[in-house]
Amino acid sequence: DAGVIQSPRHEVTEMGQEVTLRCKPISGHDYLFWYRQTMMRGLELLIYFNNNVPIDDSGMPEDRFSAKMPNASFSTLKIQPSEPRDSAVYFCASSLPPWDTIYFGEGSWLTVV
Amino acid sequence: GESVGLHLPTLSVQEGDNSIINCAYSNSASDYFIWYKQESGKGPQFIIDIRSNMDKRQGQRVTVLLNKTVKHLSLQIAATQPGDSAVYFCAEKAGTASKLTFGTGTRLQVTL
Repeated sequence: DAGVIQSPRHEVTEMGQEVTLRCKPISGHDYLFWYRQTMMRGLELLIYFNNNVPIDDSGMPEDRFSAKMPNASFSTLKIQPSEPRDSAVYFCASSLPPWDTIYFGEGSWLTVV
Repeated sequence: GESVGLHLPTLSVQEGDNSIINCAYSNSASDYFIWYKQESGKGPQFIIDIRSNMDKRQGQRVTVLLNKTVKHLSLQIAATQPGDSAVYFCAEKAGTASKLTFGTGTRLQVTL
C-alpha cells in the first residue's frame, strides 16, 4: 500500500504567488481531508471531502484558500495569493467510512517569504 | 469550545523504561479516541485506537487506557526505545459524522 501521497514535499514561494498542493489518497478511501499544522495552532482541519464532494469547509481560513477533488484519486489545495502567515505544513489524509481512523501523508512544507 | 488537551508537553524517559503519555478530554460525548505518533519531518502515524465501550486496549508494546469518569486517556509504551522518540497526539471524536479533534501533542524524548 503506497499510502497517501503528497506533492510537493517542500515549497518556498514569494508572497503573492499562487501555491498548489497536491494529494493522492489511499486507493478505495472515500474520505479525504486537508489539515494544516503550525506550532501556534497545532493540527487544524481545513476541509474534507466524501466521494469527491466537499462536505465541510468551515476550517478554510479565508477566500484565498480553495480545494478541489476532481476524481477519487486526486485533490488539490490552492492558495492565491499566498501570504507569509500561510507558512505551515499542510497534510492530506484519507479514510474509509465511517472515517474513524485517518491516515496521513508526509505533508507539504510551505514557506512563504 | 470543547477541546482535547495534554498535561505534559515534554516527557523524558530512559531507554528500556516504560513511558506513560497522558491526555485529558473535555467532550463527554466523545466515543472514539486515537493515538498518533509524529516523527520529525513526517506526518502523524496511527498507533492505536479505543472506543468508549472499552477501558483498555493493547497493541504491540503499546496500551491505551480510557477512564471516562474523569475523561482521561493514556498511552503506555513498554520498554521504550530510541525509535519511540516523537510527538504523540491524542485525538477524539463524538459520533460518526463529527470531526476528529487533535490535542496539542506531547514530545517524548528517549535518553540512552
